[in-house]
This record gives sequence, structure tokens and C-alpha cells, in this order.
Amino acid sequence: AQTVTQSQPEMSVQEAETVTLSCTYDTSESNYYLFWYKQPPSRQMILVIRQEAYKQQNATENRFSVNFQKAAKSFSLKISDSQLGDTAMYFCAFSVYGQNFVFGPGTRLSVLP
Amino acid sequence: EADIYQTPRYLVIGTGKKITLECSQTMGHDKMYWYQQDPGMELHLIHYSYGVNSTEKGDLSSESTVSRIRTEHFPLTLESARPSHTSQYLCASSGPSSYNEQFFGPGTRLTVL
Repeated sequence: AQTVTQSQPEMSVQEAETVTLSCTYDTSESNYYLFWYKQPPSRQMILVIRQEAYKQQNATENRFSVNFQKAAKSFSLKISDSQLGDTAMYFCAFSVYGQNFVFGPGTRLSVLP
Repeated sequence: EADIYQTPRYLVIGTGKKITLECSQTMGHDKMYWYQQDPGMELHLIHYSYGVNSTEKGDLSSESTVSRIRTEHFPLTLESARPSHTSQYLCASSGPSSYNEQFFGPGTRLTVL
């Protein structure tokens, strides 16, 4: 069975600083997709960034980037120049063949002014 | 604009009532999902569908049922609501490709008294 672990239930960061959220997963599949989702307080869950397991290059979306270590089954999210609007729950997720999505338990990130 | 909708957004009902939570998407996605989100914010898959007339139970045992008569519509029904059903319910859909992420609705917050 595939599992996703996020070992940091809560984190905080000062505005404009950089923070890294951890995610590890377990699977026997060779090709899969990894995602980071953001759920702001009382708002809709949205996709932050995605990574295909076959691509060695780490994905980047503006201030968000990932560190994908396939051998270690690690997929961390780095947020640079943190903004107050980054305050949210962040979920790491895993998918094989576009189905069987598995979500981690989430990390609550607070950006402090 | 393509989107995914859930109604009602908030619902407070008494024990024993029958309720239906509505979910619709305008993206033509075959895959749709229902999640229960507990107070700790962890997501639990309760039902999913990969197309019309196809529904499956998810990882979390649920007393709810679903139907998929039309591609765009995936309602969830509780025949007899109980206080233990109090939770946030999230609907999601995803496209046909392996790289497709899930798109989430805004959620329905259900309180059963």
C-alpha cells in the first residue's frame, strides 16, 4: 500500500523568510506523480506544484520549489520570500496513473508578520 | 470558467434526517471523489467514481452512498444523519491523464445535532 508521511504537523516562518516542508512516501511503483496542495483557512484546496517521478529536474513555480529525491522517496516543498497569504494547510499527495490519490496528514504553516 | 461546485456550503440538521450533498463540475472530468476532512484536517477518501454508473467505496468506511448518473454530477447521500457524521465534506475531480491533479470544490460543512 502507498503511504504519504508529513512529519511536521505545524510550522511557522517570519514573513520574507524561507521555509521547507517535508514529505516522504512509500511505493513500489516506478512512475508516479507527486503534488503539493494548499488549503488556506476556510478556502478551497488548490494545487501548488507537481512533479513527475521520471523527471530528475525539480519543479519550480514562482516562489515555490521542490526537492525531489527519488531514491530516498522524499519530496519537500520550499517556499521562498514567505508571504502572509501563504498561511495555510499544506498537503503532500501521491498518484499512480492519475488515480489512487493518497494524501499526507498535512502541515499547518503560519506566516508571521 | 471550468470549476467544481458544492451545495450547500453549510448545513445544520437534526439526527435521523436524510440529506444529499451536491457536487457538480464543468470540466468534463470522468473521475470524481468524495473526501471527509476531520477536525485535524486530514483527508479520508470515502467514495470515488471513474465514470458514469461506476462508483466505489474508499478507504474510510462510511454510511453514505453516492450515485453517478451524469458525468458532471456526483451527489452524496446520508440516509439517516447522526452526530458522528459532523464533518467537512470535500468533492474533487480529475482529468484523464496521469499527470492530472485533483480539482477541489469549496466543501460542505455538515453539523448534525
